[in-house]
Amino acid sequence: QQQVKQSPQSLIVQKGGISIINCAYENTAFDYFPWYQQFPGKGPALLIAIRPDVSEKKEGRFTISFNKSAKQFSLHIMDSQPGDSATYFCAASIGSSNTGKLIFGQGTTLQVKP
Amino acid sequence: DADVTQTPRNRITKTGKRIMLECSQTKGHDRMYWYRQDPGLGLRLIYYSFDVKDINKGEISDGYSVSRQAQAKFSLSLESAIPNQTALYFCATSDFRTGTNEQFFGPGTRLTVL
Repeated sequence: QQQVKQSPQSLIVQKGGISIINCAYENTAFDYFPWYQQFPGKGPALLIAIRPDVSEKKEGRFTISFNKSAKQFSLHIMDSQPGDSATYFCAASIGSSNTGKLIFGQGTTLQVKP
Repeated sequence: DADVTQTPRNRITKTGKRIMLECSQTKGHDRMYWYRQDPGLGLRLIYYSFDVKDINKGEISDGYSVSRQAQAKFSLSLESAIPNQTALYFCATSDFRTGTNEQFFGPGTRLTVL
């Protein structure tokens, strides 16, 4: 049972372009939506996160867009750079339950070509 | 630096063997998690622990067991390894006191079961 569905599985973007990764969730109780970035040979690390009381959050070149009615959220990487090449995971959790459990999407491998 | 470490980093074993993966953290976090990562499936939760006396099954616990020896140590065991347990395994930690669900991952253990 996959509660968070992520697409595309892989993405190739030219340097300077915009990378867009999409996620959809099913459980309306989810109230915390982080994105993790994973470089080869490393563990995932938190990149940016959003709560459903806002529709957008921006940190540098990274933006999360959130659509509560559609139960979808997406990561936009502006001015993509070769150093952004990594695997990206969206996730969701019920923060108010304090379980700390994250449900991850399937992951997207991003390659930014010079 | 406070960190999450995993040993071994790579392991090749044979079907039927017992194997233990170890995780240690110096972050002082109370919560610890074990995930496995498979291509196209993302990160799936195996077990999680909120303190030494609290162990919980995740979504794919069959064939695995865990031990929380101390707040800083959380081990994952495969009692009788099988080939479909070949995967990348990650340990993660989080701190209940922060009020967020941010998890900090170790570098991973690549396990191959022949």
